[in-house]
Amino acid sequence: DVKVTQSSRYLVKRTGEKVFLECVQDMDHENMFWYRQDPGLGLRLIYFSYDVKMKEKGDIPEGYSVSREKKERFSLILESASTNQTSMYLCASTTDRRVNEQFFGPGTRLTVL
Amino acid sequence: AQSVTQLGSHVSVSEGALVLLRCNYSSSVPPYLFWYVQYPNQGLQLLLKYTSAATLVKGINGFEAEFKKSETSFHLTKPSAHMSDAAEYFCAVRGDAYSGAGSYQLTFGKGTKLSVIP
Repeated sequence: DVKVTQSSRYLVKRTGEKVFLECVQDMDHENMFWYRQDPGLGLRLIYFSYDVKMKEKGDIPEGYSVSREKKERFSLILESASTNQTSMYLCASTTDRRVNEQFFGPGTRLTVL
Repeated sequence: AQSVTQLGSHVSVSEGALVLLRCNYSSSVPPYLFWYVQYPNQGLQLLLKYTSAATLVKGINGFEAEFKKSETSFHLTKPSAHMSDAAEYFCAVRGDAYSGAGSYQLTFGKGTKLSVIP
């Protein structure tokens, strides 16, 4: 089975802090994704990566950056956390760009105070 | 641009009753369609997918969905609801939104929360 893990299930940070969310997948998938999920808004794509050191902006990249130094690991960075970034963050991966069936991690619920 | 509309943000059914969750999509190319389920405080799990083979797709936990091109729909059904089906369900389409590097974007609906009444 594909396994996607995220470093924290729950995280509480203060406004202005730099926040790192880590995602690791164990199936050698080329493509990895970061979404945020908010009630009533569904999932919105922040960034994705189709190869090591490659990244592309999704629909809502403002206030976020990403890093992909190794194929299995995709990090989401909040340079200066703000309260409006309080959300559930979901990581996903896929090996098939054409169909794009994605496998999700358990999510990180981030609260910014 | 592709889009997904899920009718009803909350649906309640009695245990043993039919579950029907509605999904309509728009896409300028033949779509691939997915239903995902999310249990509380968990990630999304794939229920089933349509990738241009049989129009009636069977998934896990007794769910199925039918692709109807003329109605641009992909509704999710289950004949008899179980308490364990209480969760949030997301419909997604892989359509014509191209994200670059050979990758097509998945667009998700806003989700439908299913409650099952004993």
